[in-house]
Amino acid sequence: GIQVEQSPPDLILQEGANSTLRCNFSDSVNNLQWFHQNPWGQLINLFYIPSGTKQNGRLSATTVATERYSLLYISSSQTTDSGVYFCAVVAYTGTASKLTFGTGTRLQVTL
Amino acid sequence: DTEVTQTPKHLVMGMTNKKSLKCEQHMGHRAMYWYKQKAKKPPELMFVYSYEKLSINESVPSRFSPECPNSSLLNLHLHALQPEDSALYLCASSLHRGQGIVGEQYFGPGTRLTVT
Repeated sequence: GIQVEQSPPDLILQEGANSTLRCNFSDSVNNLQWFHQNPWGQLINLFYIPSGTKQNGRLSATTVATERYSLLYISSSQTTDSGVYFCAVVAYTGTASKLTFGTGTRLQVTL
Repeated sequence: DTEVTQTPKHLVMGMTNKKSLKCEQHMGHRAMYWYKQKAKKPPELMFVYSYEKLSINESVPSRFSPECPNSSLLNLHLHALQPEDSALYLCASSLHRGQGIVGEQYFGPGTRLTVT
């Protein structure tokens, strides 16, 4: 099956710093999602991005499908950004979709 | 509204118990999913339902029994679980291909299950 790797695995930032998280995948995909999992386990949708660049406030994402990677940018980080960031590649399976999650990046933002 | 709800939030059960997890969405999605997430690992797909029919079973042991009684509800029936089944169980939903562009999944808050 498809392999999805994320880097770095762990990241500690001071509040206000910027960061870039990377997601590499081993095969072509139909689409890609980025999630933030908060400390209570809730997966929050950040981006649904098959290619190109999208922005939402302090966050933006870029997917280069032909080179099989996606990047998540976090600017001016805040303590509420702490948690685990997952990318997940989307494969259409008949009439539904199947997500394969990456290994995750655990982010801690300190004061 | 992109809300998926799950009950209960926490569940502790013995290995001989029978319990059920419940998931509900009112977004009109006709594809629903169960995932299992162990500590410090990514979620792993267990089951996919399309239009209330089971379409994918990722070789899940029969002690987990899914059910989709209607287009808004998804249940996961649990019986004779093992301690290694302790995990966060997540439900998700998405549009079905017949409804338009398929793919973006929305997750519920999960049920944290402990098997003693």
